[in-house]
Amino acid sequence: QKEVEQNSGPLSVPEGAIASLNCTYSDRGSQSFFWYRQYSGKSPELIMFIYSNGDKEDGRFTAQLNKASQYVSLLIRDSQPSDSATYLCAVNTGYSTLTFGKGTMLLVSP
Amino acid sequence: GAGVSQSPSNKVTEKGKDVELRCDPISGHTALYWYRQSLGQGLEFLIYFQGNSAPDKSGLPSDRFSAERTGGSVSTLTIQRTQQEDSAVYLCASSFDIAGGDTDTQYFGPGTRLTVL
Repeated sequence: QKEVEQNSGPLSVPEGAIASLNCTYSDRGSQSFFWYRQYSGKSPELIMFIYSNGDKEDGRFTAQLNKASQYVSLLIRDSQPSDSATYLCAVNTGYSTLTFGKGTMLLVSP
Repeated sequence: GAGVSQSPSNKVTEKGKDVELRCDPISGHTALYWYRQSLGQGLEFLIYFQGNSAPDKSGLPSDRFSAERTGGSVSTLTIQRTQQEDSAVYLCASSFDIAGGDTDTQYFGPGTRLTVL
């Protein structure tokens, strides 16, 4: 069974700190990896995607992918209270269907 | 352009009734996906369409669930004889295609909150 694992949290960080969110996946054939943010009562919104090993930066967000270790992470620099949400890791495991982790709740305190 | 839209936003029904949920994908997106999310749970894949055909129906929980897509656009998810365990938020997403790369990025609609009494 294809699985995507995330720590449920909550991960608590002070405003201005770096938040590090981690995700592991079981299917070595996975090709594309996505991070979504979901505010309470809202639908998931895409933050960024990554396909190649290494880092990908977009503003305050950096996604890191290590296919050998089957590990993908999201770093949020200069965390803001508005970043408080649940962060979903999703992995494309074939036929374009995504397998989602259960999400990590991030709490950024002022 | 407009994003993915879903209707109704909320649906309350009695156990045993049938319900129909609608999804209108982003214009030009050929792939459409249905998920559901129960309270405090992750997203559960239900079915996806490429054009009007559904190559993967593996996530449908039972034969009470069905979905169709016509004209390569709007999709409806139908739940027959609803049960209380069907209560969840039903989310629809669409992507440009399934070819890989950034064209398979999925964008979500606002969801339909279904409550079965």
